[in-house]
Amino acid sequence: NAGVTQTPKFQVLKTGQSMTLQCAQDMNHEYMSWYRQDPGMGLRLIHYSVGAGITDQGEVPNGYNVSRSTTEDFPLRLLSAAPSQTSVYFCASSQGPQRQFFGPGTRLTVL
Amino acid sequence: AQSVTQPDIHITVSEGASLELRCNYSYGATPYLFWYVQSPGQGLQLLLKYFSGDTLVQGIKGFEAEFKRSQSSFNLRKPSVHWSDAAEYFCAAIIQGAQKLVFGQGTRLTINP
Repeated sequence: NAGVTQTPKFQVLKTGQSMTLQCAQDMNHEYMSWYRQDPGMGLRLIHYSVGAGITDQGEVPNGYNVSRSTTEDFPLRLLSAAPSQTSVYFCASSQGPQRQFFGPGTRLTVL
Repeated sequence: AQSVTQPDIHITVSEGASLELRCNYSYGATPYLFWYVQSPGQGLQLLLKYFSGDTLVQGIKGFEAEFKRSQSSFNLRKPSVHWSDAAEYFCAAIIQGAQKLVFGQGTRLTINP
């Protein structure tokens, strides 16, 4: 199993650009989530999904969209990137929200 | 509000010394509790978890944690650290049946040779 994969590993955007961070898992997990990691703030939940077609907001959802059309994929969309969205983004999956498996992360810089 | 606090931002210990990383939680009920480790440039790996039962939990890599209800704490310990333990450590909590895992701010561990 590949586990949780994320692409790209690194990305630089200009303010106002849009992009999609990809996340995929091959463990047939129902629960998937996106976090952002900023220095001194730990990981903060952006959006999560408890199954295909079901998503909900986390702690810091503004500026991000998600969809879950399949069990395997959970992309995160930045509609109009802002410098405040410079961060490291982690995707995670699990059978429930408790024991989550994390991807390697995407380091995003918005200029 | 539900929260997880790691009071120590950065800790330095010598190789071979013992380690204790602190974690406190603020929840109405006892949450499920976790410790994760993040090596530089890597994702997070689960070290151990507490759901119920024995308050001393054993994890991977020689780590253990003790749940103390009276202190709302879940401190991580290791009797003798190795240089490879240098990493960032995160405590996390979630209420049973809830959907949102809450993380502490993290503690960066540096190991002196």
